[in-house]
Amino acid sequence: DVKVTQSSRYLVKRTGEKVFLECVQDMDHENMFWYRQDPGLGLRLIYFSYDVKMKEKGDIPEGYSVSREKKERFSLILESASTNQTSMYLCASRRQIGAYEQYFGPGTRLTVT
Amino acid sequence: DAKTTQPNSMESNEEEPVHLPCNHSTISGTDYIHWYRQLPSQGPEYVIHGLTSNVNNRMASLAIAEDRKSSTLILHRATLRDAAVYYCIPLEYGNKLVFGAGTILRVKS
Repeated sequence: DVKVTQSSRYLVKRTGEKVFLECVQDMDHENMFWYRQDPGLGLRLIYFSYDVKMKEKGDIPEGYSVSREKKERFSLILESASTNQTSMYLCASRRQIGAYEQYFGPGTRLTVT
Repeated sequence: DAKTTQPNSMESNEEEPVHLPCNHSTISGTDYIHWYRQLPSQGPEYVIHGLTSNVNNRMASLAIAEDRKSSTLILHRATLRDAAVYYCIPLEYGNKLVFGAGTILRVKS
């Protein structure tokens, strides 16, 4: 079974802190994604990566950056956390570009105070 | 991206079949139709996808209209564990998943 793991289930940070959310997949997938999910707004794509060292902006990249130095790991970085970044963050991976299923991690509930 | 229309919510009895509809009238000829579901407090999980022909897997069946403007996800015998939000997503080849509001499925025992 494909496994996508995220570094924390729950995280509490202060405004202005730099925050790292880590995601690891164990199936040698080329593509990886970061979403955030908010009540009433659904799941929205922040960034995605088609391969190592490649990244593309999703629909809401402002305030975020990403890093993909190794195939299995995709990090989401909040350079200076703000309260409006309080959300559920979901990571996903997919074998490659095409009609393949995406596998999601369990999510990280981030609260910025 | 093709637009989709799904009912906000549906209710089913346990052990009965459930038909979840989706309209995607602006779908292009090469868009696959994907279905995902999200159980409470979990990330979304893949259910099924298809292009033109009906598809079956261990989780569900997908019936696609001949004109491809609509599709129906069929759960043959709903269980309490099937209570979730179900998302219908037309996906251009190689493109990224765009989630709508989905259908909240409630299953009564």
